[in-house]
Amino acid sequence: GAGVSQSPSNKVTEKGKDVELRCDPISGHTALYWYRQRLGQGLEFLIYFQGNSAPDKSGLPSDRFSAERTGESVSTLTIQRTQQEDSAVYLCANAVGAGANEQFFGPGTRLTVL
Amino acid sequence: RKEVEQDPGPFNVPEGATVAFNCTYSNSASQSFFWYRQDCRKEPKLLMSVYSSGNEDGRFTAQLNRASQYISLLIRDSKLSDSATYLCVVNPAGNNRKLIWGLGTSLAVNP
Repeated sequence: GAGVSQSPSNKVTEKGKDVELRCDPISGHTALYWYRQRLGQGLEFLIYFQGNSAPDKSGLPSDRFSAERTGESVSTLTIQRTQQEDSAVYLCANAVGAGANEQFFGPGTRLTVL
Repeated sequence: RKEVEQDPGPFNVPEGATVAFNCTYSNSASQSFFWYRQDCRKEPKLLMSVYSSGNEDGRFTAQLNRASQYISLLIRDSKLSDSATYLCVVNPAGNNRKLIWGLGTSLAVNP
């Protein structure tokens, strides 16, 4: 069956440009998370969507970061005016529901800001 | 104190060795615990959940000590394919919203 997919797999951009990262979730998995993983670091929670509930945005590092998800469909993470410290792998994960134990990750988008 | 702390690593062991990783957590009210595995430049994947009574899956054994607030992962008869980073993950709220991820312990199994 199809897993979580993310696009693009790699993105190189110049400082100050905006980027949009996409996550295609597993059908029927209502919970969706975005994480950031810097080189050699652990996973950093960014944002969480559960169905039609208000998203938990408490992990977003600044107002340059935003994410959208309509219902249980595709999610996009947008970073405006990118900075070099935004360089990282951005991972999207799905879970069956709010109380699910296992998160299924996409392959990530490797963002490099020059 | 970090919310989740793991053995610093890296661990380099020969094939067939037994290796153990420990992880401590700071929130005594934490509800559920997991070990994930992350291969180099790949996404994390669930290895096993950790139950209060301890649980075993083949060569892997996970244990939880609530009193001391640590969990452990034991790998017996190490294989080359076990080489990866092992991530300790804690759910402090029991609702799978903000899992707290350790930095991981790197394991290299050598021939």
